[in-house]
Amino acid sequence: SQTIHQWPATLVQPVGSPLSLECTVEGTSNPNLYWYRQAAGRGLQLLFYSVGIGQISSEVPQNLSASRPQDRQFILSSKKLLLSDSGFYLCAWSVGLPGEQYFGPGTRLTVT
Amino acid sequence: QKEVEQNSGPLSVPEGAIASLNCTYSDRGSQSFFWYRQYSGKSPELIMFIYSNGDKEDGRFTAQLNKASQYVSLLIRDSQPSDSATYLCAVNFPNYGGSQGNLIFGKGTKLSVKP
Repeated sequence: SQTIHQWPATLVQPVGSPLSLECTVEGTSNPNLYWYRQAAGRGLQLLFYSVGIGQISSEVPQNLSASRPQDRQFILSSKKLLLSDSGFYLCAWSVGLPGEQYFGPGTRLTVT
Repeated sequence: QKEVEQNSGPLSVPEGAIASLNCTYSDRGSQSFFWYRQYSGKSPELIMFIYSNGDKEDGRFTAQLNKASQYVSLLIRDSQPSDSATYLCAVNFPNYGGSQGNLIFGKGTKLSVKP
């Protein structure tokens, strides 16, 4: 069966510091991968998605970036965090049917 | 404008009752619809999906879709306190992002089931 991992689970970072969040998927090949952010009182916002190694599409312009160095690894990064980057970051995967996405446990980021 | 609208609630129902959660969407071209359950502090969990007009049943859950009205709903029969969570409606918008489209999520309806 498929499993998705995210780490760290929680993170407190000062404004201006760098960020690296990692997501890995097990038990499937060539998945579509997604990064979402869920801010307090707001819905899930799609940040990036990837259909293959090195293929990244961005939906929201911001100071975040994403990379996919391996088939089942997806990384979210920032060079300098802003207060507005605080939120619950979720990685998701899908194969086959459009939209049937499965989420990882998430990383709760607080920027202070 | 890509929109998925849900009543934020909270929706409060007594244990054993039917909970009805509703969702409307803006794109007539959307073909796939999903319901996720999210417990407080946890990530969303896919519980139902529906592609065709009509009803789809899975245990105590029934998803209903009316494409002409751009309306999708989730019914939870015999509601239990463990069903208390936020329910997110997600709609695949074909022209949003990649070749298969991407999901737009509603902000969710918070359901509280009282013992």
